[in-house]
Amino acid sequence: ETGVTQTPRHLVMGMTNKKSLKCEQHLGHNAMYWYKQSAKKPLELMFVYNFKEQTENNSVPSRFSPECPNSSHLFLHLHTLQPEDSALYLCASSPWGAGGLVGTQETQYFGPGTRLLVL
Amino acid sequence: GQNIDQPTEMTATEGAIVQINCTYQTSGFNGLFWYQQHAGEAPTFLSYNVLDGLEEKGRFSSFLSRSKGYSYLLLKELQMKDSASYLCAVRDQAGANNLFFGTGTRLTVIP
Repeated sequence: ETGVTQTPRHLVMGMTNKKSLKCEQHLGHNAMYWYKQSAKKPLELMFVYNFKEQTENNSVPSRFSPECPNSSHLFLHLHTLQPEDSALYLCASSPWGAGGLVGTQETQYFGPGTRLLVL
Repeated sequence: GQNIDQPTEMTATEGAIVQINCTYQTSGFNGLFWYQQHAGEAPTFLSYNVLDGLEEKGRFSSFLSRSKGYSYLLLKELQMKDSASYLCAVRDQAGANNLFFGTGTRLTVIP
């Protein structure tokens, strides 16, 4: 039980479809993240939100559109995706501003992910 | 850019000890994390190091040398359930909580 939930767990979509991924955290955190995890590649940070404001967009194509209506919910809207976008999409949350001169142990807590297949 | 390196795969025997290494080159450093990820599941937090030395948590220990840009995760008394991927991640700055991950090391524990 990580306190971060994601729906759906699995999604198959065509290249012309529009779909949305949902993430919800019950940990009282104020930062939320989207990651892409492809086989044999590092977790790729896509977007970061802090107190509902986007603070990072890691050169993600515009066919991925994030939305953060409040600190507990995060969406990833998908449209006209490509087959190479097939991957595991992970959501995470954390406290923000985790360190001073010496960092704190406050880390990111991940949801179970959405396994996406684009045909 | 940030660079985190770890071996792709390792195999070890049940009951044995295994060490998973991680080297990093980042623009800053504010902590190193190890996560465990079973196939099809979320990464879960295992350990954290920000100062040099060894941190022990039960069967798992993690070591850090900041001058060498090096960490390892040590797993003792291996169990079959320890078969998973182990991810090394570096937080590069204070004031934010962005993590940079390695590709992960897939550990297979054999009887």
